[in-house]
Amino acid sequence: AQSVSQHNHHVILSEAASLELGCNYSYGGTVNLFWYVQYPGQHLQLLLKYFSGDPLVKGIKGFEAEFIKSKFSFNLRKPSVQWSDTAEYFCAVNAADSWGKLQFGAGTQVVVTP
Amino acid sequence: EPEVTQTPSHQVTQMGQEVILRCVPISNHLYFYWYRQILGQKVEFLVSFYNNEISEKSEIFDDQFSVERPDGSNFTLKIRSTKLEDSAMYFCASFTGGLREQYFGPGTRLTVT
Repeated sequence: AQSVSQHNHHVILSEAASLELGCNYSYGGTVNLFWYVQYPGQHLQLLLKYFSGDPLVKGIKGFEAEFIKSKFSFNLRKPSVQWSDTAEYFCAVNAADSWGKLQFGAGTQVVVTP
Repeated sequence: EPEVTQTPSHQVTQMGQEVILRCVPISNHLYFYWYRQILGQKVEFLVSFYNNEISEKSEIFDDQFSVERPDGSNFTLKIRSTKLEDSAMYFCASFTGGLREQYFGPGTRLTVT
């Protein structure tokens, strides 16, 4: 069965620090990969996605993620965070041959202090 | 930008009661989903719906749950006899298919007392 694991449950960092959130998945077939963000009081929004092609994908708000197939990983990065990046971040995977069902990681709560 | 909407935002119900959670997906989308997130836990898939029928469902989605698209715009999740453990945030999502992402609604917080 598919599973998605996010390494950090809670991250606290200062503004301008760099952020990297780990995501690993287990699935034997072709997958599509996503990072969603949930700002306080808001709904899940897509940060970025990977379907195929260049394994380094850029998303909104300066985020990027790198797909490393050999490591089954899709880590999210941002070189310099802002206070407004305080949110919960979810990695999600769907099997390319599924009906689009997303399997989510447990989420990482990121708190950026001024 | 089009968005998925959900009503109500918060529903409180007594154990054993029926609840209907409503969603209006984005109008040209073809695939519809319900997910839930119990407080402190991960977002879990419940069911997917395409072409007016369930395409996939999880183990959570037992006989107490049903989904319907009664009028071509609304997409509902019904829980026939709620249990305390059904308390969660329920998210509706939709997408067009292909190499696109799912769009999520703001969620309905269901509290079963």
